[in-house]
Amino acid sequence: KQEVTQIPAALSVPEGENLVLNCSFTDSAIYNLQWFRQDPGKGLTSLLLIQSSQREQTSGRLNASLDKSSGRSTLYIAASQPGDSATYLCAVKDQESNQFYFGTGTSLTVIP
Amino acid sequence: NAGVTQTPKFQVLKTGQSMTLQCAQDMNHEYMSWYRQDPGMGLRLIHYSVGAGITDQGEVPNGYNVSRSTTEDFPLRLLSAAPSQTSVYFCASSYGSSRGPQHFGDGTRLSIL
Repeated sequence: KQEVTQIPAALSVPEGENLVLNCSFTDSAIYNLQWFRQDPGKGLTSLLLIQSSQREQTSGRLNASLDKSSGRSTLYIAASQPGDSATYLCAVKDQESNQFYFGTGTSLTVIP
Repeated sequence: NAGVTQTPKFQVLKTGQSMTLQCAQDMNHEYMSWYRQDPGMGLRLIHYSVGAGITDQGEVPNGYNVSRSTTEDFPLRLLSAAPSQTSVYFCASSYGSSRGPQHFGDGTRLSIL
């Protein structure tokens, strides 16, 4: 069974700072890894999807990388804004079970 | 685009009652799944389906039933509600292969008294 860990659990940064969120998983046999954003009391919004054969994906100020062999992914947010404040979740689709496994998330606060 | 639609958004039940949480998607996705989200526990998979007529158990299936008679719909049934099932429930869908992202509904907030 996959174990997905996200560090740190919470992060507070001043506006404008670049930041990195981390996600690690225990089994490298994955189909893909997906990063989500969740605002309080809301559902999950997909940010980036990285296939197992890819190394990174970019969308605007967001860049996600994947090192499958070491079981790690990072989400890089450039020039953070107060509107980026949310919980960020990563999930992997495990090849063996064909199931998705989620981390517990990083709660990000960007201070104006 | 409706995407993934969950109903109801909120529900309060008494212990022992049964109910069905509805989930529908209009993207012709083969893969659908139900999660529960609890504080400090993250999202945990309850049941999933890789296509009409096919369902399988996830990490926490006890106390829940599912069926998949059509591609579009994937209802989750609570057979006899217990306080431990108080949670936020999310339905998600994606293409059956790995090529597409998961799309989530807005969730159902369920309280069992």
